[in-house]
Amino acid sequence: DSGVTQTPKHLITATGQRVTLRCSPRSGDLSVYWYQQSLDQGLQFLIQYYNGEERAKGNILERFSAQQFPDLHSELNLSSLELGDSALYFCASSGGGSSGNTIYFGEGSWLTVV
Amino acid sequence: GQQVMQIPQYQHVQEGEDFTTYCNSSTTLSNIQWYKQRPGGHPVFLIQLVKSGEVKKQKRLTFQFGEAKKNSSLHITATQTTDVGTYFCAGPAGTALIFGKGTTLSVSS
Repeated sequence: DSGVTQTPKHLITATGQRVTLRCSPRSGDLSVYWYQQSLDQGLQFLIQYYNGEERAKGNILERFSAQQFPDLHSELNLSSLELGDSALYFCASSGGGSSGNTIYFGEGSWLTVV
Repeated sequence: GQQVMQIPQYQHVQEGEDFTTYCNSSTTLSNIQWYKQRPGGHPVFLIQLVKSGEVKKQKRLTFQFGEAKKNSSLHITATQTTDVGTYFCAGPAGTALIFGKGTTLSVSS
């Protein structure tokens, strides 16, 4: 158990819909990362937050947004969903804000868009 | 932007054979990390390498960081069925960690 909690574990929704994925980082961790994993694209970095502020942005679509709240939990919002958005979405956390920190992954949220 | 490439994408070995995966970066890395994802699981940190030419061992796993800090390798000696999974290298891009596409290892007994 990494200490990173993600909900929901599985989600099936229709195209055009909007979903929210939730992540609670390990106790004391200030950084939260979101990654998308699909079969052909590996682990794609989406976005990083550090202590409530956006720290780094990766290949995140404009239809996607995220935020980190004062209690440090984070939400990833996916809107106008397309079939191609079906993937495993991982949240990860680390204690610091630098890239030298080990990051700890949650178990992921499986999103299926039908 | 920062890219981390891994080869091979897939590798199948017989139990007891050795296995190596290679990681190459388009830029010099301040550090490189390795993670393992078991089938159906999430990536789990294995090790971090920081120094040029660094070699670290974890039982049957040997990790190397190239002299130019642009490449790395993971070598598993005498694979076991418990080694199956996808091995990722990851390098920093700013404050984020960018992962290679991984090498998926399968082992038959």
